[in-house]
Amino acid sequence: DADVTQTPRNRITKTGKRIMLECSQTKGHDRMYWYRQDPGLGLRLIYYSFDVKDINKGEISDGYSVSRQAQAKFSLSLESAIPNQTALYFCATSDPGLARYNEQFFGPGTRLTVL
Amino acid sequence: GESVGLHLPTLSVQEGDNSIINCAYSNSASDYFIWYKQESGKGPQFIIDIRSNMDKRQGQRVTVLLNKTVKHLSLQIAATQPGDSAVYFCADTHYGGSQGNLIFGKGTKLSVKP
Repeated sequence: DADVTQTPRNRITKTGKRIMLECSQTKGHDRMYWYRQDPGLGLRLIYYSFDVKDINKGEISDGYSVSRQAQAKFSLSLESAIPNQTALYFCATSDPGLARYNEQFFGPGTRLTVL
Repeated sequence: GESVGLHLPTLSVQEGDNSIINCAYSNSASDYFIWYKQESGKGPQFIIDIRSNMDKRQGQRVTVLLNKTVKHLSLQIAATQPGDSAVYFCADTHYGGSQGNLIFGKGTKLSVKP
């Protein structure tokens, strides 16, 4: 969905490096999410934010941190990357006021490889 | 230790045939369900949704069936086309539980043979 953008699209880094993945949206949604996708494991929630002052841990938040800089921007950081964090990362947005209750709109993903 | 990914369930169908993708959910309090389609190299996209007060909903070439008794959801695709090849995820949520966050299934890969 072009309304939700993620940068970078691909990143290769080394163990121990700090990495930031960025997400921007033009949909005007208050809610934003970060997911991790691994083959055969589906999408797992890392962090979510319901507005600029709200940050919540998801299912697998250890080793990650987030920052909600503005309504439109939500970044995910890996403080010290490890090979186990090699995965596809997705940002998503939602607006509970929409007719389709809690539908989430996904960005194109960031493929992260930690060597 | 390093995690090992699980094998993704796969469904292979002939072009023109109907496809049925199944999903089980665990939360009996879930009251809203969504099917997403994820094409290679893209993020998941909404296909169809259903609320718990319904047991069937139809869209264009797609039908979702909900059986709350056994906590089972299915997606039926009529006259499957090569463009339907993708990974399909179900997701469920309960408003008031985790503030309505979606819980995703592990996905099923649909391959359409021409």
